[in-house]
Amino acid sequence: AQSVTQPDIHITVSEGASLELRCNYSYGATPYLFWYVQSPGQGLQLLLKYFSGDTLVQGIKGFEAEFKRSQSSFNLRKPSVHWSDAAEYFCAVGSDTGGFKTIFGAGTRLFVKA
Amino acid sequence: NAGVTQTPKFRVLKTGQSMTLLCAQDMNHEYMYWYRQDPGMGLRLIHYSVGEGTTAKGEVPDGYNVSRLKKQNFLLGLESAAPSQTSVYFCASSGGYGYTFGSGTRLTVV
Repeated sequence: AQSVTQPDIHITVSEGASLELRCNYSYGATPYLFWYVQSPGQGLQLLLKYFSGDTLVQGIKGFEAEFKRSQSSFNLRKPSVHWSDAAEYFCAVGSDTGGFKTIFGAGTRLFVKA
Repeated sequence: NAGVTQTPKFRVLKTGQSMTLLCAQDMNHEYMYWYRQDPGMGLRLIHYSVGEGTTAKGEVPDGYNVSRLKKQNFLLGLESAAPSQTSVYFCASSGGYGYTFGSGTRLTVV
């Protein structure tokens, strides 16, 4: 069965510093991979998705993610973090059991310090 | 463009009471989903629908029922609420992979 692991429960970075959020997945075939962001009191918003092709994927708000099959990873990156990026980030993988179901990781909460 | 709208936003129930959560989408999406979000557990799929008139069980369906009588609406029902159902409930819709989420319903069962 597919699964997603986000090793870091929370991360703190300084404003202007670079960011990398880790994600590892378990999937037999080529996975469909996603990153979502959730601001406090809000629903989740899709940041980016990977289906196939170029392993470096660009998303909204200046985020990017790199698919590495050999490491079963799909880490999210941003070169320079802004205070407004403070939120919870979820990595997710598309299920292969139909219905376009999606399996979510437990999330990583990002804190940004001035 | 409202996207996905959930009502109510907050609710407190007593153990044993029933309620229905409503999800409405205006994007003509075929697929709709109900998830619950609990601290440290991410989102877990309760039920989903692949089209009008269809429903299917997800990962944690026990204690919940759903209906999709109209394409734009997906209802989640709790027949006899239990404290373990205290959670934040999210509805999502999609035309494939990549969801649009509602803003959630925070439910407390006392």
